[in-house]
Amino acid sequence: KAGVTQTPRYLIKTRGQQVTLSCSPISGHRSVSWYQQTPGQGLQFLFEYFSETQRNKGNFPGRFSGRQFSNSRSEMNVSTLELGDSALYLCASSFDSPGANVLTFGAGSRLTVL
Amino acid sequence: AQSVTQLGSHVSVSEGALVLLRCNYSSSVPPYLFWYVQYPNQGLQLLLKYTSAATLVKGINGFEAEFKKSETSFHLTKPSAHMSDAAEYFCAVSDVRGYIPTFGRGTSLIVHP
Repeated sequence: KAGVTQTPRYLIKTRGQQVTLSCSPISGHRSVSWYQQTPGQGLQFLFEYFSETQRNKGNFPGRFSGRQFSNSRSEMNVSTLELGDSALYLCASSFDSPGANVLTFGAGSRLTVL
Repeated sequence: AQSVTQLGSHVSVSEGALVLLRCNYSSSVPPYLFWYVQYPNQGLQLLLKYTSAATLVKGINGFEAEFKKSETSFHLTKPSAHMSDAAEYFCAVSDVRGYIPTFGRGTSLIVHP
């Protein structure tokens, strides 16, 4: 069974540019969530999508946005990149089960902003 | 609101020694608790989860964790460390109302030969 696939794995951008990251969840998983991981802040929740709707949102500025398509694939976008946006962006998918919701993570997209 | 505290950002052990990674949680309702592991250049993967069925939970790769309600703890242990256990470990908490777990800051396990 295929896992969670994130593309691209590595990318380098410059300040002010924008970036789009893609996530293909495990077949049958309808929830997709995104996290930002940095050495200083750890794992921070960005947002979660279910049935093409944003269901939960973390505490990030509006420059960070996302969407989910009808096949559950998801994209996140960061506009007007800042140096501090350099991070590993992780996508996770899951069945829709509140509480004991086990997340399956992709390998991440490592973004470097110069 | 829920929160997780992982004591120690780094834990160093010798190969063959006991591994103990500490996690304390805060939750106003009965929690669900998880341990995830992240190997270098990979995403997180589930080690084990507690869902109130049994207080001692066994996971993959010889790890286990014990839920102690009186201490609000869910510490992760392994009797004998292996070099391949070197990784980042994350404790997480959620409850029956929530779809998104709250993660701790992570503990980096270093295993010396």
